[in-house]
Amino acid sequence: DIQMTQSPSSLSASVGDRVTITCRPSQSISSYLNWYQQKPGKAPEVLIYAASSLQSGVPSRFSGSGSGTDFTLTISSLQPADFATYYCQQSYTTPITFGQGTRLEIK
Amino acid sequence: QVQLQETGPGLVKPSQTLSLTCTVSGGSISSGPYYWTWIRQPAGKGLEWIGRFHTSESTNYNPSLRSRVTISVDTSKNQFSLQLSSVTAADTAVYFCARGSIGGANWFDPWGQGTLVTVSS
Repeated sequence: DIQMTQSPSSLSASVGDRVTITCRPSQSISSYLNWYQQKPGKAPEVLIYAASSLQSGVPSRFSGSGSGTDFTLTISSLQPADFATYYCQQSYTTPITFGQGTRLEIK
Repeated sequence: QVQLQETGPGLVKPSQTLSLTCTVSGGSISSGPYYWTWIRQPAGKGLEWIGRFHTSESTNYNPSLRSRVTISVDTSKNQFSLQLSSVTAADTAVYFCARGSIGGANWFDPWGQGTLVTVSS
């Protein structure tokens, strides 16, 4: 299985901050990397697919980059609605695997 | 707009079989190149991919669960189902169904709201 390691595991930030979350797979996955946001009691929602493509309806302050074994999710200016848990997911091979999550909290 | 809804018992006894159904509305489960997928999440933990079904391909399961899992589809009811046998407390989780895209990136959208299944006697 491909292990997905996210960092940090948790992060405190303020409204307006620029935030970057990193995801590193245990082997190269080309650009087969997706990012999700999950709020308490809700299902995850896709933000970014194929490493850098913004899902329709997702605010442009979210962006993704990377390939191979190094990926980042960036939120350019945090808004109150962005405080949530974020997961990366690889689809390079089955079993599909997710990162352990990054909890983004209000400072 | 496609929507998914999970249904099934919220409580299952140890050693029994967990059975859940996902009903798809707003679109046909038979149309379009999609993977119909089950994912679970234990309380306070991360996401685990269980497996997926595609109408033109073989079903794929997570090797960690393969011996206990069956995913099936009823196109006449626009539903797909999950069966997990010989459950233990470790199978207690919120179970999500989701539609997965095909063509590499295989992202999941939309998801059902999730249903909590507790394994307890």
